[in-house]
Amino acid sequence: DSGVTQTPKHLITATGQRVTLRCSPRSGDLSVYWYQQSLDQGLQFLIQYYNGEERAKGNILERFSAQQFPDLHSELNLSSLELGDSALYFCASSVGQGGYEGTEAFFGQGTRLTVV
Amino acid sequence: DQQVKQNSPSLSVQEGRISILNCDYTNSMFDYFLWYKKYPAEGPTFLISISSIKDKNEDGRFTVFLNKSAKHLSLHIVPSQPGDSAVYFCAASVQGGADGLTFGKGTHLIIQP
Repeated sequence: DSGVTQTPKHLITATGQRVTLRCSPRSGDLSVYWYQQSLDQGLQFLIQYYNGEERAKGNILERFSAQQFPDLHSELNLSSLELGDSALYFCASSVGQGGYEGTEAFFGQGTRLTVV
Repeated sequence: DQQVKQNSPSLSVQEGRISILNCDYTNSMFDYFLWYKKYPAEGPTFLISISSIKDKNEDGRFTVFLNKSAKHLSLHIVPSQPGDSAVYFCAASVQGGADGLTFGKGTHLIIQP
């Protein structure tokens, strides 16, 4: 158990809909990251929050948005969903701003999103 | 353009032998490298890392080698065990940078009995 909790584990929704994925980081971790893993793809970095502020942005579509709340949990909002958005969405957390030796990111079990 | 490449989608190794997983990168700014292991239906688990000031880091059965001039790193697992069967992701970052971790597409390691 990494200590990172993601809900829900599975989500099936229709095209055009909007969903919210939730992530609770490990206790004490200030950074939260969101990654997308599509079929046959590696983990694509979407966005990072550090202590409530957006710190880094990757390949995140404009239809997607995220935020980190004062209690440090984070939500990833996906709207106007398309079939191609079907993927595993992982949340990770780290104690610091990440990318530094000793501040490795720990991943949750992921949310499998299926858009039909 | 893929900045971190794992060119072998899968690798089969006999139990007890050495497993060598390879990773190449193109961004010369990367200075921190990690390996993650992933079982089906689970999130990636951190395995081992190496900073660019080193060329080798060991942790038990796992050793990561970094060749900066070739922009290449490898993960050695010896001896390989059945529980090592998983997908291994190579990742890289610029310490203090703003792009998070860049992952390769992974190599599926299969340990044969």
